[in-house]
Amino acid sequence: AQSVTQPDIHITVSEGASLELRCNYSYGATPYLFWYVQSPGQGLQLLLKYFSGDTLVQGIKGFEAEFKRSQSSFNLRKPSVHWSDAAEYFCAVGPYNTDKLIFGTGTRLQVFP
Amino acid sequence: EAQVTQNPRYLITVTGKKLTVTCSQNMNHEYMSWYRQDPGLGLRQIYYSMNVEVTDKGDVPEGYKVSRKEKRNFPLILESPSPNQTSLYFCASSASVGRGNTEAFFGQGTRLTVV
Repeated sequence: AQSVTQPDIHITVSEGASLELRCNYSYGATPYLFWYVQSPGQGLQLLLKYFSGDTLVQGIKGFEAEFKRSQSSFNLRKPSVHWSDAAEYFCAVGPYNTDKLIFGTGTRLQVFP
Repeated sequence: EAQVTQNPRYLITVTGKKLTVTCSQNMNHEYMSWYRQDPGLGLRQIYYSMNVEVTDKGDVPEGYKVSRKEKRNFPLILESPSPNQTSLYFCASSASVGRGNTEAFFGQGTRLTVV
């Protein structure tokens, strides 16, 4: 069955530190992969997506993610975190034959000044 | 501005009292869906619609109904709400290509409490 695992429920970093949020997926073929961010009281906003081609994708707000087929991973990174990045982050996979999204359980990011 | 609009944002109701959460999108998207978000479970799809008059169950459809009479609207109906439906609900829309590689746009969410 298709699934997405985000192993870290909660991560705390200092402002200016680097960040990596982990995402592993289970899918029989190369999936379409997404990272969404949910700021407090807001809906979900797309950060970036991977469909094919270059395995390092750039997104908004200075985020990037790398698709690693051998590890079934799509980790999200940012070199220097800002206090405004505090939010919940969701990794999702879009199965090939549907418009449905399958979400991970999310990682809550807390940023200390 | 392209957007998905849900109403209400917050709702407290009593067990068994029918309610409707509205969802409207202005992007002429074919695909619309409802998700619920619960702590530790992420977002789970309740129902989806691939076009007008075409709806189908998602992963957690029990206790919910939907309709799609117009392309822009996709209301979620709880005919007899129960406390286990207390949750944060999101409506989403996307241009349907049936291949999973389109961006979904989300509403701001409806926080429902059933007492």
